[in-house]
Amino acid sequence: GENVEQHPSTLSVQEGDSAVIKCTYSDSASNYFPWYKQELGKRPQLIIDIRSNVGEKKDQRIAVTLNKTAKHFSLHITETQPEDSAVYFCAASRRGSYIPTFGRGTSLIVHP
Amino acid sequence: DTAVSQTPKYLVTQMGNDKSIKCEQNLGHDTMYWYKQDSKKFLKIMFSYNNKELIINETVPNRFSPKSPDKAHLNLHINSLELGDSAVYFCASSRLAGGRQNNYEQYFGPGTRLTVT
Repeated sequence: GENVEQHPSTLSVQEGDSAVIKCTYSDSASNYFPWYKQELGKRPQLIIDIRSNVGEKKDQRIAVTLNKTAKHFSLHITETQPEDSAVYFCAASRRGSYIPTFGRGTSLIVHP
Repeated sequence: DTAVSQTPKYLVTQMGNDKSIKCEQNLGHDTMYWYKQDSKKFLKIMFSYNNKELIINETVPNRFSPKSPDKAHLNLHINSLELGDSAVYFCASSRLAGGRQNNYEQYFGPGTRLTVT
């Protein structure tokens, strides 16, 4: 089955800095890669996703890149703000399966 | 309008009891899920279910069972509760996989914090 590794487990940055979270996956048939943000005490919510036919996707301060050859994808947050502080999860799923495999999460702390 | 709702939000109970958590979605989705999130924040899928197929994570004890009275509901029943069952349980739903681009985002419920004493 699919295995998703996520690094780092904790990331501490100063407000205004950039943050990068990286994930690798094992199943070359995976074709959908969402990122979820979970604020303290809240539910996970999708912030951005990318499909295997695209190499990069941006949404304001958030971007995701995908390298299918190397089987890794990354979340980039620019100009971080204290409200970006949360746990971020990457996930991967393959065509024909509606069960995603989640990474173990990255706790991002943005210091004002 | 709450897309995915769960009740109760908090559940405190003693070891050995049987309890249920209810989940409802009003998104018209065909697929629903249950996740367990432990103290280390790891999201572990327990079940996925659509109107055709129940997929069970083989690591989930058979004390846990999903019950779906209709497409909009997937309840979680837990028998003989143990201390290690304490966690936050999330229900989620998504569109049914199909077509060329057949994976979609999951919509999570607010979670149920279960504490077993």
